[in-house]
Amino acid sequence: EVQLVESGGGLVQPGRSMKLSCAASGFTFNNYDMAWVCQAPKKGLEWVATISYDGSSTYYRDSVKGRFTISRDNAKSTLYLQMDSLRSEDTATYYCARHPNWDPWFDYWGQGVMVTVSS
Amino acid sequence: IQLTQSPSLLSASVGDRVTLSCKGSQNINNYLAWYQQKLGEAPKLLIYNTNSLQTGIPSRFSGSGSGTDYTLTISSLQPEDVATYFCYQYNNGLTFGSGTKLEIK
Repeated sequence: EVQLVESGGGLVQPGRSMKLSCAASGFTFNNYDMAWVCQAPKKGLEWVATISYDGSSTYYRDSVKGRFTISRDNAKSTLYLQMDSLRSEDTATYYCARHPNWDPWFDYWGQGVMVTVSS
Repeated sequence: IQLTQSPSLLSASVGDRVTLSCKGSQNINNYLAWYQQKLGEAPKLLIYNTNSLQTGIPSRFSGSGSGTDYTLTISSLQPEDVATYFCYQYNNGLTFGSGTKLEIK
């Protein structure tokens, strides 16, 4: 069974940093591109970033370029999102999600982790 | 590409045929998926490439459309279908619609 379990969220002050982790199991992690998707409170979904199966390529939405870094450790089957220079508008639930077979949609999602940026 | 979903709220009876709409600001070229999100849960993939049913999804769900206009249809609404439904395009960038909340009347 595919499982994606996020951790590392919480309350952080504007301008500070936070790192999210996503532990994957139930599939061969290093065969799949992975992504982070966020959802602000009572709002819709927004794709944040994607990383290729081997970590060689990364892609970001414009609003997080230069502030967020997606990475992975295939030996640990773990995906990361380093978030720097956080802003109040980054407040959201962050989901780890899998791209199936290098396709651009997402077939499995974690339960999400809440990040609140507030002073 | 921006996606506009309508209606934002839909109330229907069990057994009804329900149609949800998603309209793109540009041609989506059938690169569209649909997700179901129940309260407090992660989204679940229902449909990809406009009309391909994800494994394990009941056949009462179907997708159709072309160009800028796409539709998710539930042939016979069930109580467990209460959720918010999002469309998602991957033709140009990766964007989600704002969602349609589906309730039982």
